[in-house]
Amino acid sequence: QVQLVQSGVEVKKPGASVKVSCTASGYTFTSYGISWVRQAPGQGLEWMGWISVYDGNTNYAQKLQGRVTMTTDTSTNTAYMEMRSLRSEDTAVYYCARFGASLLDGMDVWGQGTTVTVSS
Amino acid sequence: DIQMTQSPSNLSASVGARVTITCRASQSISTWLAWYQQKPGKAPKLLIYKASNLESGVPSRFSGSGSGTEFTLTISSLQPDDCATYYCQQYDNFSWTFGQGTKVEVK
Repeated sequence: QVQLVQSGVEVKKPGASVKVSCTASGYTFTSYGISWVRQAPGQGLEWMGWISVYDGNTNYAQKLQGRVTMTTDTSTNTAYMEMRSLRSEDTAVYYCARFGASLLDGMDVWGQGTTVTVSS
Repeated sequence: DIQMTQSPSNLSASVGARVTITCRASQSISTWLAWYQQKPGKAPKLLIYKASNLESGVPSRFSGSGSGTEFTLTISSLQPDDCATYYCQQYDNFSWTFGQGTKVEVK
């Protein structure tokens, strides 16, 4: 079946970097894009950015530009989200999600989430 | 940046009730709006895209409407399984923004 499986829990110190993976199966990886969304404890959803798997184009949320990089590896059907200079405010569950040919169609398949805790 | 405002923030209704959640955009977004349902500890689930298109497999009691700056998600007959937080999401200029969420409780 179509699914996205994310890497496990991460605990990082302030100033460190984290790289979360998202491995796709059950569909043609290059026919869809991957978006990343995070959710701080008890808070709402925050869109972080997206990457077109087909051509590698990216678009990041303005507040995260310069700290986040999204990449893909089509040989392993895996997307990655790397965040640098972590702060306590980056503590959240990070989700990857698939979107189709059009950004207008929403995100129809989601990973299970990866908990990232930033603490000294 | 376009701001999204959802209302109400919380609502409680009985099984079988008709429930409406509103999402307002700070400027026109045509019909570029989606709705998601999120249950505690779970990933969000796409319900509606392009304001009124029901995602495959989503029960027909869910519907979406609106265009421009005002949108609604309606649950025609609330069920116990609908207890969740609902988010709208707008698309503009290659970016997305979520509303702050509406928590729905089933009495």
